[in-house]
Amino acid sequence: ETGVTQSPTHLIKTRGQQVTLRCSSQSGHNTVSWYQQALGQGPQFIFQYYREEENGRGNFPPRFSGLQFPNYSSELNVNALELDDSALYLCASSQSPGSGSAREQYFGPGTRLTVT
Amino acid sequence: RKEVEQDPGPFNVPEGATVAFNCTYSNSASQSFFWYRQDCRKEPKLLMSVYSSGNEDGRFTAQLNRASQYISLLIRDSKLSDSATYLCVVNPHTGNQFYFGTGTSLTVIP
Repeated sequence: ETGVTQSPTHLIKTRGQQVTLRCSSQSGHNTVSWYQQALGQGPQFIFQYYREEENGRGNFPPRFSGLQFPNYSSELNVNALELDDSALYLCASSQSPGSGSAREQYFGPGTRLTVT
Repeated sequence: RKEVEQDPGPFNVPEGATVAFNCTYSNSASQSFFWYRQDCRKEPKLLMSVYSSGNEDGRFTAQLNRASQYISLLIRDSKLSDSATYLCVVNPHTGNQFYFGTGTSLTVIP
């Protein structure tokens, strides 16, 4: 077990609604990255948070937003849900955005979001 | 062009076989490289980091070829439990975005 937890495990939402997903990082890790994984694809980077600031963002629209809290846990918020947002949402924690082994990312079990 | 490309397979090999996966990346300045394995409907798990000089962990060997911009993973003496999807991951020199390949599916057959 990595010690990274996510909630909820599964979620069903309707198009147009908003959703908040939560992630607790592994002890000693201050960096959290969020990924979207569609069926049959590799994870796609959404953004990364380091010390409560966004520290890099992938090619996702502004309706995907996030937060990191002083205890390094994090939230991913998605507004105006679309059918294509249906996916497994993964968070990963790492020691820091630094170099070497500190960059190794450890994933939580994910939240499976279905948008109908 | 995709940042990371992998042969999706599937690779079906008998127990005890040796199997190799390759992965190519487009950004020559890429800094960090990893292999993850992902079981069906589970999260990716870090298998190993890939170092410039190559590295080995038991039956698994990872190699990096910067000149040709590819990384490889060799699995010796395959076990049934090795059946999974193997994801190649590249982190460019700038930025913190990790790029994942689409994964290579491996099934080890008794």
